[in-house]
Amino acid sequence: LAKTTQPISMDSYEGQEVNITCSHNNIATNDYITWYQQFPSQGPRFIIQGYKTKVTNEVASLFIPADRKSSTLSLPRVSLSDTAVYYCLVVPGGGRRALTFGSGTRLQVQP
Amino acid sequence: GAVVSQHPSWVICKSGTSVKIECRSLDFQATTMFWYRQFPKQSLMLMATSNEGSKATYEQGVEKDKFLINHASLTLSTLTVTSAHPEDSSFYICSAPGPVEKRGEQYFGPGTRLTVT
Repeated sequence: LAKTTQPISMDSYEGQEVNITCSHNNIATNDYITWYQQFPSQGPRFIIQGYKTKVTNEVASLFIPADRKSSTLSLPRVSLSDTAVYYCLVVPGGGRRALTFGSGTRLQVQP
Repeated sequence: GAVVSQHPSWVICKSGTSVKIECRSLDFQATTMFWYRQFPKQSLMLMATSNEGSKATYEQGVEKDKFLINHASLTLSTLTVTSAHPEDSSFYICSAPGPVEKRGEQYFGPGTRLTVT
């Protein structure tokens, strides 16, 4: 499985756009990039997944360059409730396997 | 969306006793479920894979005789921590994979906080 590297922590203010970049240099051809969000004392929640280029949903956007060695999760106009840990994962294309979580990025949103 | 529940949400037990944690898929069937453990300020660590109708698969370093997993139906997996000790105090989370086409999307339970005194 490709190892992921992301910043340990980030700070932001309400209303700002937050971009969290994850590197995954050893990503395989069939791997997908997936992001999860976890609030304290809760299970992780799926945010977004992509293979290449850009993916957008109602919560976030995911930017993946052509070489796929990194990805950027973009959270538009964050609020205090976006304070959480965000995990970047590389998932084999076969799916339905256990997930390997890295250390994640602890995002703190200030008023 | 698919919902996974866990019971109890928190439990306190005395050292040496056993505790059972339930993980249920509420609106879908899960032939496979995963059990994770998370210590404070740390990431999730996979403990075992629970398979309906067969033995669980444990990760290296996880004692199968201490963490008993039973997946007796398509909607229920249980994790029993036997002879619990304070070092077993942790946050236990289960998950079930989504449809094949959704690859990395998994549905996580809300977690169970275990405190062993």
